[in-house]
Amino acid sequence: AQSVTQPDIHITVSEGASLELRCNYSYGATPYLFWYVQSPGQGLQLLLKYFSGDTLVQGIKGFEAEFKRSQSSFNLRKPSVHWSDAAEYFCAVGDTGGFKTIFGAGTRLFVKA
Amino acid sequence: DAGVIQSPRHEVTEMGQEVTLRCKPISGHDYLFWYRQTMMRGLELLIYFNNNVPIDDSGMPEDRFSAKMPNASFSTLKIQPSEPRDSAVYFCASSFGTAGGTEAFFGQGTRLTVV
Repeated sequence: AQSVTQPDIHITVSEGASLELRCNYSYGATPYLFWYVQSPGQGLQLLLKYFSGDTLVQGIKGFEAEFKRSQSSFNLRKPSVHWSDAAEYFCAVGDTGGFKTIFGAGTRLFVKA
Repeated sequence: DAGVIQSPRHEVTEMGQEVTLRCKPISGHDYLFWYRQTMMRGLELLIYFNNNVPIDDSGMPEDRFSAKMPNASFSTLKIQPSEPRDSAVYFCASSFGTAGGTEAFFGQGTRLTVV
C-alpha cells in the first residue's frame, strides 16, 4: 500500500530565507504526488501536483517541488519565505486505482522575523 | 462555485449524543471524501464515494460511524453514540475524477468536541 513520510514535524526559518520541506513516498508504480497547505482554521489548499513529465513542478505562491524517483522523494522548496507562509504543509500520494489520496503527517512551518 | 461547504463549523455535544455533519460538494464533482484530522493520527481518510456510491469505507473507525450520500449535492457523516475520543476536525473534500490522483478540494472543516 502507498504511504507518505514527512520526516520533519516542524521547521522554523527566518523570513527571506530559503525553505525545503522533505517528503518521501512509497508506491509501486509512478505516483501521483501533491503538496497541500493548511492555514490555521482552514481546509487544505493545493500548492502543486506531479503526474508525469517534467520532474520540477511549479506551484502557487512561489513554491516548487522536485520529483526524484531514485530517492522516492518529492521535496517542496521556496527560495524566499514570507511570514504569510507560516502554516502546515502536507505531502500526499494519489491512488491511481481508487482515486483516494493518502496524506503524510504534515510539517508545521514557523517563520521568524 | 462557492467551493465545498460544510456545516456546522463547530459542534459541541455531550457523550452519547448523535452528531450529524453535513457536506455539499462542488457541483459536477463525482468523488466525495470524508477525512478526520487529529493531532495524534493526522489526516485520516474515513470513507469516499463515487457517483454517490460508497467505494471504500475501510477507514471508518467503528460501527458508530456512518456516512450517506443520497444525491450528488449532499453527504452526511453521522456518529452515534458520540464519544470524547471522536473529538477532531472532520473535513469533506470533493474531486472530479478523470484519472487517478486528481486534485481534491477541501471544505473548511467541522470542529467536533464531545464532552
